[in-house]
Order: sequence, then structure tokens, then C-alpha cells
Amino acid sequence: QVQLVESGGGLVKPGGSLRLSCAASGFTFNDYYMSWIRQAPGKGLEWVSYISSSGSFIYYADSVKGRFTISRDNAKNSLCLQMNNLRVEDTAVYHCARDPGRGYNYGFIDYWGQGTLVTVSS
Amino acid sequence: EIVMTQSPATLSVSPGERATLSCRASQSVGSNLAWYQQKPGQTPRLLIYSASTRATGIPARFSGSGSGTEFTLTISSLQTEDFADYYCQQYNNWPQTFGPGTKVDIK
Repeated sequence: QVQLVESGGGLVKPGGSLRLSCAASGFTFNDYYMSWIRQAPGKGLEWVSYISSSGSFIYYADSVKGRFTISRDNAKNSLCLQMNNLRVEDTAVYHCARDPGRGYNYGFIDYWGQGTLVTVSS
Repeated sequence: EIVMTQSPATLSVSPGERATLSCRASQSVGSNLAWYQQKPGQTPRLLIYSASTRATGIPARFSGSGSGTEFTLTISSLQTEDFADYYCQQYNNWPQTFGPGTKVDIK
């Protein structure tokens, strides 16, 4: 079955960096667009970034553009999010998520990882 | 950015009753609208996409309707497992955006 397992979260000071990883299994990873979506504690959902199946197309939310970098390694079935210059408002659970389109970006999500908590605080 | 709003913020319903949740987009998103259910401590679950198509395994009591800027999720007869938060999400434009959610709780 499809599994998405995130790691790399933790407590970091404002201005610091973290690298999140997502290990994917149970499907042909290189066929699917992947995303990072975050949810601040007790709040709603915010799309952070997505990357096409080949890695050729990448989009970022304005709130993270220039600070976050999404990448994927199709040989290792992994998705990453490099987060630099972190701000207090980046505090959230970060979910790795799969778009159901094979080689196509439908734009919604059919599988979510449980997420990894990033806390930015001095 | 397309702003999504949902109403009401909280909906109190008795088991067996019908629940009607609304979602509005700040500009037309066509039929590019999805609905998710989220229970405490769980990840969102896809219910509806393309405004009215049920995702795999979703019971027929869940139905979606609407197009353009106005959308509705209807739960025809609420079961105890349906008490949860519900989010709409547009995917017509990047960034794909979510509504703030409607909490369906037990009356």
C-alpha cells in the first residue's frame, strides 16, 4: 500500500535551517507529482510547494519562495524540502503528499504522510 | 491567489440528519474543487474531486455539487464517524488553496 513517511522536523531558532525528507513506498514514485503541505497547530492547511514527476516543474507559495527548496530523488523514492531562514510563522506540521495523476498534475491529494513537526522559536 | 471561504465555521447536527456545508471561491475555479475530511490526529482524507466525483471508497451519503464560485458538500445521513473537520480546496490556479474548514460536531 502507499506509504509516505516524513522525517527531519524539530526545534530550530528563527533564521535557522532544516531539511525534511519523505520516504515513499508502495507505488511507482517517479510517475507522480509530489507536494509539501503544512498545517500550523490548530489551524488550516497551506500548500507549500510541489514538484513534477521528473522534477522539471516546481512551484512555491509566495510565503516560502526564496527560502525553501523542494527536490526529489526518483532513484531513492524520496522527496525533500530544504528550509532556510526559518521564521516563527513557519511553525507547522509538514506533510508529504501525493497527487493522484500519473505523469499529470491533477492538483489535489490522494495520499498524505502523517507529517513532521517543525517548531521555530527562540 | 484565490481565497476560499467556508460556512458555517461549526455545524451541529444530530446523527441521522443531513448536513450541508458551503464553500465559496473568490473567483471562478470551474469544477476544480476537492473536499477533504480530517479527524483529530489524522491526515486529511479525500472525499470529492472535480466538485462532484466521489473518491475511491467514499460512501454514497457524501455528495458534492456546484461550479464556478459556489460549492456544496452534503452528507445525507450523518453517521457517528462523520463528525470531523471538512476542508474544500481549489486546484484551478496555483497556489492551490484551502478553505478554513467547517467543523461538524454532535448536536
